[in-house]
Amino acid sequence: EIVLTQSPGTLSLSPGERATLSCRASQSVPSSDLAWYQQKPGQAPRLLIYGASSRAAGIPERFSGSKSGTDFTLTISRLEPEDFAVYYCQQYRSSPRTFGQGTKVEIK
Amino acid sequence: QVQLVQSGAEVKKPGASVKVSCEASGYTFLRYYIHWVRQAPGQGLEWMGEINPTGGATTYAERFQGRLTMTTDTSTGTVYMDLSSLRSEDTAVYYCARVCCGGSYGEFDYWGQGTLVTVSS
Repeated sequence: EIVLTQSPGTLSLSPGERATLSCRASQSVPSSDLAWYQQKPGQAPRLLIYGASSRAAGIPERFSGSKSGTDFTLTISRLEPEDFAVYYCQQYRSSPRTFGQGTKVEIK
Repeated sequence: QVQLVQSGAEVKKPGASVKVSCEASGYTFLRYYIHWVRQAPGQGLEWMGEINPTGGATTYAERFQGRLTMTTDTSTGTVYMDLSSLRSEDTAVYYCARVCCGGSYGEFDYWGQGTLVTVSS
């Protein structure tokens, strides 16, 4: 089972600031098969990024993803008020599919 | 537009079973796998398993083996998730999600709205 470890657990930032979220895999994730999801309270997760770096349909350009070895990064270039939420990474090439434990981006 | 609409909240006693439905619309039902993910209160996302609507083949996470059954009704485009021998730790919101682009492996591009299952005596 591929374990995904997200850091930090909580990120306290102000609107307009840059957010950098990390997701480290316990082993290689084949074919960059990693996604990022955003979840707001009381809502289902929403797909942001797939294939480690491709934005899903309708996702603003301020969201970007990257990969370096077994480390994955989600960057929000300038935080908008609607971006304060919990973010999860997920690998979807290996079974069981696994999620990171989440990073909460909160208003400072 | 693609929609996954789930059944309503349930309250069950320990030891009982629950069956949650997920009705798909807006796309060709047979072409896309459906997965189930759950989220305990205040916790993260946990993958439960998947079903191929074409033929009904399933794969379940090891921790749910023997308690989890996923089925489909192709006439209505509905997927069902049946979890038995419920315990308090099964209290969670249960989501169905569609895998993008055909095949078993892929990102989850559409999600149901979630169904709260509460297990309490």
